[in-house]
Amino acid sequence: DTAVSQTPKYLVTQMGNDKSIKCEQNLGHDTMYWYKQDSKKFLKIMFSYNNKELIINETVPNRFSPKSPDKAHLNLHINSLELGDSAVYFCASSLGARGITEAFFGQGTRLTVV
Amino acid sequence: GDSVTQMEGPVTLSEEAFLTINCTYTATGYPSLFWYVQYPGEGLQLLLKATKADDKGSNKGFEATYRKETTSFHLEKGSVQVSDSAVYFCASEGGGNKLTFGTGTQLKVEL
Repeated sequence: DTAVSQTPKYLVTQMGNDKSIKCEQNLGHDTMYWYKQDSKKFLKIMFSYNNKELIINETVPNRFSPKSPDKAHLNLHINSLELGDSAVYFCASSLGARGITEAFFGQGTRLTVV
Repeated sequence: GDSVTQMEGPVTLSEEAFLTINCTYTATGYPSLFWYVQYPGEGLQLLLKATKADDKGSNKGFEATYRKETTSFHLEKGSVQVSDSAVYFCASEGGGNKLTFGTGTQLKVEL
């Protein structure tokens, strides 16, 4: 059973396109996240949702819009893709409102913008 | 804001060598501290954690002790294996649902 699953695993697209990455967790967790990992492996949080409510929105261009239809899903939509958006995007979830419980990560979506 | 600094990689060791990966943090208050591991092509997995000063986290032969006086959480393993080759991330969580990660340290273990 996959705990945190995200699709697609790979995404190659042209500049200017709009794309979505989907994430689902079957752990019953209340909190879900999106992280971006750049080519140097640096990880930075983008968004966090707790029970479908946005609680963290880091300095991310508004071309990025997260959507949480229910607490088990957190999708990421990206408009007008740019070369600099190329990265690996990780979805994660954790049980409580505080991250002191373990965060479970998906396998990542490698986005390449050409 | 919170920040985590860990030693630059890559670190290359022979099998059965001793491993230390340094990690220091800056935070307001007393964050929880974590080590995550990322194997090639996979997402991050929690390796160990410590939630208060002097706690020692341990798992799979890895250990790290929360040192408040030096604001450090160094990762150690007495005898590394080839299968330990991965990228290791130190992270802190000081409240607000946000993990702050270090830049990651790539470990390569050779026979």
